Amino acid sequence: DQQVKQNSPSLSVQEGRISILNCDYTNSMFDYFLWYKKYPAEGPTFLISISSIKDKNEDGRFTVFLNKSAKHLSLHIVPSQPGDSAVYFCAARRQGAQKLVFGQGTRLTINP
Amino acid sequence: GAGVSQSPSNKVTEKGKDVELRCDPISGHTALYWYRQSLGQGLEFLIYFQGNSAPDKSGLPSDRFSAERTGGSVSTLTIQRTQQEDSAVYLCASRSNYEQYFGPGTRLTVT
Repeated sequence: DQQVKQNSPSLSVQEGRISILNCDYTNSMFDYFLWYKKYPAEGPTFLISISSIKDKNEDGRFTVFLNKSAKHLSLHIVPSQPGDSAVYFCAARRQGAQKLVFGQGTRLTINP
Repeated sequence: GAGVSQSPSNKVTEKGKDVELRCDPISGHTALYWYRQSLGQGLEFLIYFQGNSAPDKSGLPSDRFSAERTGGSVSTLTIQRTQQEDSAVYLCASRSNYEQYFGPGTRLTVT
């Protein structure tokens, strides 16, 4: 049972344009959501998070949007840069729980 | 500053052998997690340690898998009688507040 889904295994975007990465979840008990970025041969690094009491959180070029009614969140990167090329994982945490449930990841490629 | 470190970075083993993977968390982090990432898959939770509490082992896939954390710091993940389906990248993470900080992982290949 995949509780967190990233349906796009890959995404290709031109440098300078907006990258939009999507994530869907099924468990309504999730109350905290995170995005991680992973380069090859490295561990995932935390990027940005959002609590379920918010619908938007912004940090520089990165913005995460949460639509609770649709159980959907997205990560917007604008403008996209070549260094943003990586695998992006969406993760969710249930209220009171300590472990994260991850999606399958989306490989983002930024083309010059 | 020292992040989470894991050793070895790569491990190739024959089916049926036992392996031990090591994780050194960030100093002072009381929470430690093990995940694995199989090819084309997301990160799968294995086990979670928090201070002196009993670990959450709910993600361990079989009784061939075990983990311990000595002195609230270093952790070892042991896989007994390895199988080919155990081949994956095993990631360790430690946490202070909300965010988990990951190590670079150990790539395990069972031949």
